[in-house]
Amino acid sequence: QSALTQPRSVSGSPGQSVTISCTGTSSDVGGYNYVSWYQQHPGKAPKLMIYDVSKRPSGVPDRFSGSKSGNTASLTISGLQAEDEADYYCCSYAGSYTPWVFGGGTKLTVL
Amino acid sequence: QVQLVESGGGLVKPGGSLRLSCAASGFTFSDYYMSWIRQAPGKGLEWVSYISSSGSSIYNADSVKGRFTISRDNAKNSLFLHMNSLRAEDTAVYYCARETGWRFDPWGQGTLVTVSS
Repeated sequence: QSALTQPRSVSGSPGQSVTISCTGTSSDVGGYNYVSWYQQHPGKAPKLMIYDVSKRPSGVPDRFSGSKSGNTASLTISGLQAEDEADYYCCSYAGSYTPWVFGGGTKLTVL
Repeated sequence: QVQLVESGGGLVKPGGSLRLSCAASGFTFSDYYMSWIRQAPGKGLEWVSYISSSGSSIYNADSVKGRFTISRDNAKNSLFLHMNSLRAEDTAVYYCARETGWRFDPWGQGTLVTVSS
């Protein structure tokens, strides 16, 4: 199973919005509504930000939102803040043989 | 609170073995599927292995199949990863993570495994 495709980097100024894409296939992203997104600050463990494509765990600001169209999922962060600067990874369920596949990660820089 | 704490990482020679542990607390461990996920230095996340709540169902990534074995002890709230025939490309921080529905939450802080002669 190949990794999901994410842009290596994105950037935005405080207060702006950015969108990170995550492209897979009909066997993973397109086949299931089980896409999740994780935020990782340097030297820290990943933290769940979005699950089931668009649901937010309690405690995650509503500035974070997720969506999906076909084989591509997206994470949108609105009202960018300095603390949003981190790496972001998407993950999708991919069926029973190799259940989970991650994206390569996107580095978000807040200018 | 829900907590996962990994241990057992270290420096090992190519071809060697290592056993990682993950101690769970703050939730009913036996109710949840668990996974190991790794991150090579400066690289992205790679799912390695998962085990069902009872231990009866196990899946491994192709990259570790035949070399790594996941197991659990529900009586001791512990998850394990037995790693054999280690290679340089297995060098990574290894995280244990609880599977909650179709997501990983939370993750442990990770333990570093370095395979080098």
